[in-house]
Amino acid sequence: KAGVTQTPRYLIKTRGQQVTLSCSPISGHRSVSWYQQTPGQGLQFLFEYFSETQRNKGNFPGRFSGRQFSNSRSEMNVSTLELGDSALYLCASSDFGATGNTIYFGEGSWLTVV
Amino acid sequence: AQTVTQSQPEMSVQEAETVTLSCTYDTSENNYYLFWYKQPPSRQMILVIRQEAYKQQNATENRFSVNFQKAAKSFSLKISDSQLGDTAMYFCAFMNLGNNNDMRFGAGTRLTVKP
Repeated sequence: KAGVTQTPRYLIKTRGQQVTLSCSPISGHRSVSWYQQTPGQGLQFLFEYFSETQRNKGNFPGRFSGRQFSNSRSEMNVSTLELGDSALYLCASSDFGATGNTIYFGEGSWLTVV
Repeated sequence: AQTVTQSQPEMSVQEAETVTLSCTYDTSENNYYLFWYKQPPSRQMILVIRQEAYKQQNATENRFSVNFQKAAKSFSLKISDSQLGDTAMYFCAFMNLGNNNDMRFGAGTRLTVKP
């Protein structure tokens, strides 16, 4: 079974631009969540989607948004990029079933804002 | 609010030795999950072990085991027979049951296994 796949792996954007990151969960997993990892703040929860609905959201500004498609693939978007948005963005999926709420992570998307 | 504390920013251990990483957490909930994740230089987060709070028995996975003390809100990870490939950042994480994958992570412990 393929793991969680994130694209692109690396990208560089300029302040004020927007960015879209994509995540394909493990086959059969319907829950997708996103995390931001920075040296200063560590790992922080962004939001979680299940069956195309956002069920939970972390403490991030409205510039951070996401969505999930009917095939469970998810995208997250950051608008009006700031230097502080430079981070590793991790996507994770779970099935809430056989593995009972265990969350599996992708390799992440490295975003650098210049 | 739930918080997770890893008090050891860095640790080192000799190959084949045993090392224990500490983690404490704070919650008023009774049903939750605890995890240890490993993040090697590739930055891929890899699940090491998980513990359901309602289970009294400590989880084990090959060379990895935990000491779960619910009353003390402590969840330490023991790595036996350490291998060079165990070198990584280790994160302790907490998640409320039914909290829709909102996991709270500790700051991490950087473990170096020395040959």
